[in-house]
Amino acid sequence: NAGVTQTPKFQVLKTGQSMTLQCAQDMNHNSMYWYRQDPGMGLRLIYYSASEGTTDKGEVPNGYNVSRLNKREFSLRLESAAPSQTSVYFCASSQLAGGTSTLDTQYFGPGTRLTVL
Amino acid sequence: DQQVKQNSPSLSVQEGRISILNCDYTNSMFDYFLWYKKYPAEGPTFLISISSIKDKNEDGRFTVFLNKSAKHLSLHIVPSQPGDSAVYFCAASEGNKLVFGAGTILRVKS
Repeated sequence: NAGVTQTPKFQVLKTGQSMTLQCAQDMNHNSMYWYRQDPGMGLRLIYYSASEGTTDKGEVPNGYNVSRLNKREFSLRLESAAPSQTSVYFCASSQLAGGTSTLDTQYFGPGTRLTVL
Repeated sequence: DQQVKQNSPSLSVQEGRISILNCDYTNSMFDYFLWYKKYPAEGPTFLISISSIKDKNEDGRFTVFLNKSAKHLSLHIVPSQPGDSAVYFCAASEGNKLVFGAGTILRVKS
């Protein structure tokens, strides 16, 4: 199994451009998440989808939109990129919402490194 | 304000010795704590977890200790191996979400 896949791996944008980060999981998980990782800040939750058809804001949702296209796919869109959105973006999935039970956890993709000039 | 803090940005340990990574938290409502390990150019991978009703959980070379009164948890790796060199993130559960610390870079020297 591929687990969680993300495309693209790297992207450079100019300020004001838009783009969509793609994420897919093949583990039949119900919940999916988008995080960003910045130096000295750890991973911060942008948006999450507890189940197909639902999305909720996380800690840092401003400037982003998400779409839970189906059970497998969860995309993150930057409508008008800003230099403050330069970061590494991780998608994750879990069987249950939160992925914090004894038998469940969040599985992460390899990340997308985004630079906004 | 960060609810989960890893105050040591880096730690260097000799192979075979014990590595101790620390994490402090401020939210007493956190009910579950996890450690993730991350290699360069990869996503974080789950390492070990502990429920707030326990004070210790062990899995092979990895042991997590939880001190609720001090709002402190630690990860012990014994013995440390060069392959353990990575970034370690502490995380805490708040409802359906995880709150992560900033990470500690562990370097195990052979």
